[in-house]
Amino acid sequence: DIQMTQSPSTLSASVGDRVTITCRASQAITNWLAWYQQKPGKAPKLLIYKASTLQGGVPSRFSGSGSGTEFTLTISGLQPEDSATYYCQQYSGYWTFGQGTKVEIK
Amino acid sequence: QVLLQESGPGLVKPSETLSLTCNVSGGFISGSYLTWIRQSPGKGLEWIGYIFYSGGANYNPSLQSRVTISFDRSSHQVSLRMTSVTAADTAVYFCGRGGAAPPDTWGQGTLVTVSS
Repeated sequence: DIQMTQSPSTLSASVGDRVTITCRASQAITNWLAWYQQKPGKAPKLLIYKASTLQGGVPSRFSGSGSGTEFTLTISGLQPEDSATYYCQQYSGYWTFGQGTKVEIK
Repeated sequence: QVLLQESGPGLVKPSETLSLTCNVSGGFISGSYLTWIRQSPGKGLEWIGYIFYSGGANYNPSLQSRVTISFDRSSHQVSLRMTSVTAADTAVYFCGRGGAAPPDTWGQGTLVTVSS
């Protein structure tokens, strides 16, 4: 199995801050990586796929980068509605998810 | 517009079989797939498997011996069957639809509790 490790597990930031979440794969996955946002009691929402392609309708303050084994999700200009848990997911082989990063607004 | 709706019993006894359905309206077409994931209370996401419109399926190796995903074209329903459940299978189960990209449409999820 390909293990996905996210960091940090939680972060607290202020409105307007630039926030970065890192996801590392236990082996190279090219760019077969997605990022999801999940709010309590809701299904995950696809934000980014193929490491850096923004899903339609997702605000442009979200961006993704990376390839191989290291990836980042950046929120440029954190908004109150961005308070959520974020998950990375690899789909190079059998799908696996990171353990999640909870983003809180100060 | 694609709409997905999971349904099934909310309570299953240990060692019994969990059966869920995902009603698909619109958008499950050639080239797309339907996937099941789950989330244990307070935990992260776990992929269960997916089925292509053509009928081919792929499963999480850790669950493969207990899981079957099938598609009934006549009723537009995708089914999940998981045998020999234990308390560890207690989770919210989501179905999602994807195609060229990972799933971008999801149902609202259904909670299944395994308890006697």
